[in-house]
Amino acid sequence: DAGITQSPRYKITETGRQVTLMCHQTWSHSYMFWYRQDLGHGLRLIYYSAAADITDKGEVPDGYVVSRSKTENFPLTLESATRSQTSVYFCASSSGTDGYTFGSGTRLTVV
Amino acid sequence: GESVGLHLPTLSVQEGDNSIINCAYSNSASDYFIWYKQESGKGPQFIIDIRSNMDKRQGQRVTVLLNKTVKHLSLQIAATQPGDSAVYFCAESAGAGSYQLTFGKGTKLSVIP
Repeated sequence: DAGITQSPRYKITETGRQVTLMCHQTWSHSYMFWYRQDLGHGLRLIYYSAAADITDKGEVPDGYVVSRSKTENFPLTLESATRSQTSVYFCASSSGTDGYTFGSGTRLTVV
Repeated sequence: GESVGLHLPTLSVQEGDNSIINCAYSNSASDYFIWYKQESGKGPQFIIDIRSNMDKRQGQRVTVLLNKTVKHLSLQIAATQPGDSAVYFCAESAGAGSYQLTFGKGTKLSVIP
């Protein structure tokens, strides 16, 4: 199916564990983004990518790692999850000339 | 730093009335603006956009107005329906021609049946 998909939809993990959130888009958009959304903070940019193998830090990158070996995939890894990383995570993609298209989000709970 | 903000964090509107959601922006170099709608438990959804060479753009039941003089953006929803209840975000380009967007924190629209 065409679009942008995130998986898993929900995830509960323990403090200190590594967890990877997946994002896949079918438009071959050059740009991809990871945001977290928390009450009172709105959308905050974690990492973004302008093309395969090109990534850059956003506003809140600490504790996160990204990779972009293929244009269509942009996984986000929490290397050692902390409770402060409990949040809703949104992936988005863009052609660069128009707005972003967002995925449905992953609700992550770190216990 | 420069940011996108909203005048009203919450807005309650009677079903059938028109809604107006406002947004102030501060980056005079921004040349592209978007309104997103986010329903509970879902990702933000594109509603309508406008470029800085326009001051008005209409879609289906929605109109975006851009006033560059006072750096103000508004979203008008005609004949508001219960399905319009959501959080609405404005976003602006980080600069002229930039692919990066800066998002406001959102206004919650509640439609009273």
